[in-house]
Amino acid sequence: TQLLEQSPQFLSIQEGENLTVYCNSSSVFSSLQWYRQEPGEGPVLLVTVVTGGEVKKLKRLTFQFGDARKDSSLHITAAQPGDTGLYLCAGAGAGRRALTFGSGTRLQVQP
Amino acid sequence: DARVTQTPRHKVTEMGQEVTMRCQPILGHNTVFWYRQTMMQGLELLAYFRNRAPLDDSGMPKDRFSAEMPDATLATLKIQPSEPRDSAVYFCASALGLAGNDEQYFGPGTRLTVT
Repeated sequence: TQLLEQSPQFLSIQEGENLTVYCNSSSVFSSLQWYRQEPGEGPVLLVTVVTGGEVKKLKRLTFQFGDARKDSSLHITAAQPGDTGLYLCAGAGAGRRALTFGSGTRLQVQP
Repeated sequence: DARVTQTPRHKVTEMGQEVTMRCQPILGHNTVFWYRQTMMQGLELLAYFRNRAPLDDSGMPKDRFSAEMPDATLATLKIQPSEPRDSAVYFCASALGLAGNDEQYFGPGTRLTVT
């Protein structure tokens, strides 16, 4: 069974602070996705990373896929209240046809 | 714009009753997923379909849960009989394919409460 562990589980910060969320596994993934979920809605895809060591930027969000493709991180610069939500990583393993979702990191950004 | 729709959005029912949740995937998407989300377990995959055929339902309790796709525009998830431990938010998602980097588009979910 492929498991994805996210840390921290909860994070409450002030507007303007920086933060990093981690997604770790003992398994290798062929690709990894990050989703954000707001209250009362379904998750929405933010990014997909497919190459070990890959870095992608989406405005103030920076995503990195580990060299060994077992882990990933999401860094948010100058967090804003609109960044509040549940962040989920999801990995696709070789040969598997469905994503494995991480446990999630619940982020609260206080104005 | 194209969206996955789910009905009902909220359902409160008594233990032992049958519950049916419906999902309309995005037109043209051939893969449909059913997930369950709780605070304790997070987002769990229950079952998924490709071209209306079930590919994997190993995440579903077989004795009470069933999932079907009567046609390409409708997916259903049924619980009979329902139990309090089934209380959760149930999400449907659709995708163009099954590749690991295919984006899954999630519906707004059905919040189920079984008393």
